[in-house]
Amino acid sequence: EPEVTQTPSHQVTQMGQEVILRCVPISNHLYFYWYRQILGQKVEFLVSFYNNEISEKSEIFDDQFSVERPDGSNFTLKIRSTKLEDSAMYFCAGTGATNEKLFFGSGTQLSVL
Amino acid sequence: AQTVTQSQPEMSVQEAETVTLSCTYDTSENNYYLFWYKQPPSRQMILVIRQEAYKQQNATENRFSVNFQKAAKSFSLKISDSQLGDTAMYFCAFMTGTNDYKLSFGAGTTVTVRA
Repeated sequence: EPEVTQTPSHQVTQMGQEVILRCVPISNHLYFYWYRQILGQKVEFLVSFYNNEISEKSEIFDDQFSVERPDGSNFTLKIRSTKLEDSAMYFCAGTGATNEKLFFGSGTQLSVL
Repeated sequence: AQTVTQSQPEMSVQEAETVTLSCTYDTSENNYYLFWYKQPPSRQMILVIRQEAYKQQNATENRFSVNFQKAAKSFSLKISDSQLGDTAMYFCAFMTGTNDYKLSFGAGTTVTVRA
């Protein structure tokens, strides 16, 4: 089965630093998403992305967050100035035109110190 | 806004036995989708089963089946013949019928299968 690839698997950063989390979606997917999961809590929707623009974003996705698909393959999530509370597992996900199934990546564990 | 409630933080089951996980949800929508995702210790999110609200027939996927009660807004998952590999966190999730995968997740139920 095709896979969504996320790198790195674990990222450690200092508070206030910028981080970029990377995702390589499945090649024929059209809709892309970022979710996050703070340890011990539920998975939360951050943002959806289609046709090179944000479709919808949650209240969590404030001005510190941005997404882009710069080269038509990679899909990135940038956090401009990280806070301690940004520590979480970040999941990239995607689906194709039929929207039958959402494929999740294996996640990037972000630790902000 | 849709809310998803999983009232059982933890469940334990003997290998080969059956366990049922509960999930209730609140929505004013008539067209929507419900999911169960499995999250093993690797933290990968794996789709277990999907149910369309317009379908009366309960979805099944091998040893996994659901009991979908639309009027009661209930969506329970039954794991039959439990295996050690079923040990994981299980999340119930809801999506409106727009087919945009903005999922609302429950808090999760940790299932431990005992040998």
